[in-house]
Amino acid sequence: QKEVEQDPGPLSVPEGAIVSLNCTYSNSAFQYFMWYRQYSRKGPELLMYTYSSGNKEDGRFTAQVDKSSKYISLFIRDSQPSDSATYLCAMSLHGSSNTGKLIFGQGTTLQVKP
Amino acid sequence: ETGVTQSPTHLIKTRGQQVTLRCSSQSGHNTVSWYQQALGQGPQFIFQYYREEENGRGNFPPRFSGLQFPNYSSELNVNALELDDSALYLCASSQQGSGNTIYFGEGSWLTVV
Repeated sequence: QKEVEQDPGPLSVPEGAIVSLNCTYSNSAFQYFMWYRQYSRKGPELLMYTYSSGNKEDGRFTAQVDKSSKYISLFIRDSQPSDSATYLCAMSLHGSSNTGKLIFGQGTTLQVKP
Repeated sequence: ETGVTQSPTHLIKTRGQQVTLRCSSQSGHNTVSWYQQALGQGPQFIFQYYREEENGRGNFPPRFSGLQFPNYSSELNVNALELDDSALYLCASSQQGSGNTIYFGEGSWLTVV
């Protein structure tokens, strides 16, 4: 079993839809949770960063962490064709010595159709 | 733009050869991590360098090695290349003790033939 599981999709939605992307994980010691967006043949771009449980909102994006269920989500409201990309969840352990050591999911490919 | 730059962007090597990839970290960041991303997969942690020393390693063999320089730039070296080493190699920079915000470069595409 992988430490972080993410449905690879592909996920296809019409423009304006609400998109829900999810990851589950097995290591209860994870404390930092991130979502990255990766366009084809480019490096990952940090979208959202959350420490421990709770919600975080940034514009059209909302990240949720439920540590009791070991489940994290990213919601995209009013999705746009420019949101078409691969979305990667990532997480890491607490502590400065773990800074930069991320465990990634496989990535979910999202296509938003005009 | 993340301020993390990598070179070269693309390269083709023959099985058994050696390769060196380079990374300049974001200004003010003292930690560099390297990741390997195979096609259709998420990035996998190779190792990290902090203050010019290796500070953690993933499940990669010793033929993957690295360096960090006093200006925090870094190199990834891979010896005895194998076909399965074909991947996107990503460099990420961060600052120890300032949370866990990590920024990636655009990567170096390595093809081993």
